[in-house]
Order: sequence, then structure tokens, then C-alpha cells
Amino acid sequence: QQQVKQSPQSLIVQKGGISIINCAYENTAFDYFPWYQQFPGKGPALLIAIRPDVSEKKEGRFTISFNKSAKQFSLHIMDSQPGDSATYFCAASIKGNTPLVFGKGTRLSVIA
Amino acid sequence: DAGITQSPRYKITETGRQVTLMCHQTWSHSYMFWYRQDLGHGLRLIYYSAAADITDKGEVPDGYVVSRSKTENFPLTLESATRSQTSVYFCASSKDRGATDTQYFGPGTRLTVL
Repeated sequence: QQQVKQSPQSLIVQKGGISIINCAYENTAFDYFPWYQQFPGKGPALLIAIRPDVSEKKEGRFTISFNKSAKQFSLHIMDSQPGDSATYFCAASIKGNTPLVFGKGTRLSVIA
Repeated sequence: DAGITQSPRYKITETGRQVTLMCHQTWSHSYMFWYRQDLGHGLRLIYYSAAADITDKGEVPDGYVVSRSKTENFPLTLESATRSQTSVYFCASSKDRGATDTQYFGPGTRLTVL
């Protein structure tokens, strides 16, 4: 049973464009939603995270939008750059209880 | 500050052999995790540990054994390697799962089972 569904599997965006990656979850007990970024040959690293008490969190060009009623959250990358080309994973957990459950990942390619 | 390291970085072995992947962290983090990453499956949790001598199964534990006698080390052993265990293995640690939940990943070990 896949608890976090991520889409699309791959994404190609023009430099300067907006990259949008979506995730949906089933378990309403989830209360922590991070995004991890992974460059080729490296381990994933935390990019940004949100808790369900807010609908949006922004850090620089990266924004998480959270829709509790729809059980969905998304990552928006504004002004996408070639250096953003990486695999992005969404995840969810019940804080202090369960380990992170990861989505299957989205491979983003930003082309000039 | 070494952070979290994994060894070896690359390993080729044969079906049926025992293989141990090492993970070492210098932060004294309480929690440590082992994941495998496969195309189309993302990151799947194999085992995790909340502290020395405390381990729990993750999503895909079959065929793997872990131990944690010291806080800083969390080795993963494949007792009898199979081709389906060909994967990239990542170790991660977090200070306190109840606090920030941020996991810090090692560089990975690429394992090929022939």
C-alpha cells in the first residue's frame, strides 16, 4: 500500500519556468510533510518542510502548498534553474511516532 | 566534521554471499535508518533504530539483518545476497524523530549482486 503518491514521475521545465510536483496521501494522521532533494550520486537532503497548521511555506524560490481537505501537498519551484535539476521526494510522517514514508520521486530536468 | 559516512561506496558480490554495509555518524544522533533506492520505487525503509540495541523493521526487511551496539554505527548485513538486492543503499540519521524529523543521509553504497 503506497501511502504517499507522487506525480509526475519526471518533469522537464524551461529555465525560468515554474516546476510543480504534487503529492497525495491517505493517512489523515500524518502531520509532517517534508521535501527532499537528491542530486545524482548523492544522498537526499532536506529541502523544505511543512506542518498542516499552515497552508503555505516559502523559502526562497521553493514553496510548499498544503491542502488538508484534499490531502494533497505540492512543491513549487519558481524561476527554475539548471542547478535545480535533481530528483525530488515528498514524504510524510506522524511526528514523534512513525518513520518517514517517501513518495517514489520526481526527476526534474531544467533545460536552458 | 565527517557527518555520516558509508562504506564501501561500491560493492560487487555473488549470489549467496554475506555482505555487510557500514554506516557511521559523528553527531551522536539517536535515530538511524537504512533505505534502499530502486528505480520506480523511490526510497524504501529497510530497518531503523531509535538507540543502541533498539531496532525495528521497516517496509522491506526480509533478507536483511541489522545491529546497533554503539550509537554511532548501524551496519546492515545481507545474510545471503540475492540479485533482487541489487540496489543503492542509503543510511540516514536524525537527532530526535520527535523533534524536527530531519534526516541526514549518507552518500550511499551501490551494491551489485551477480
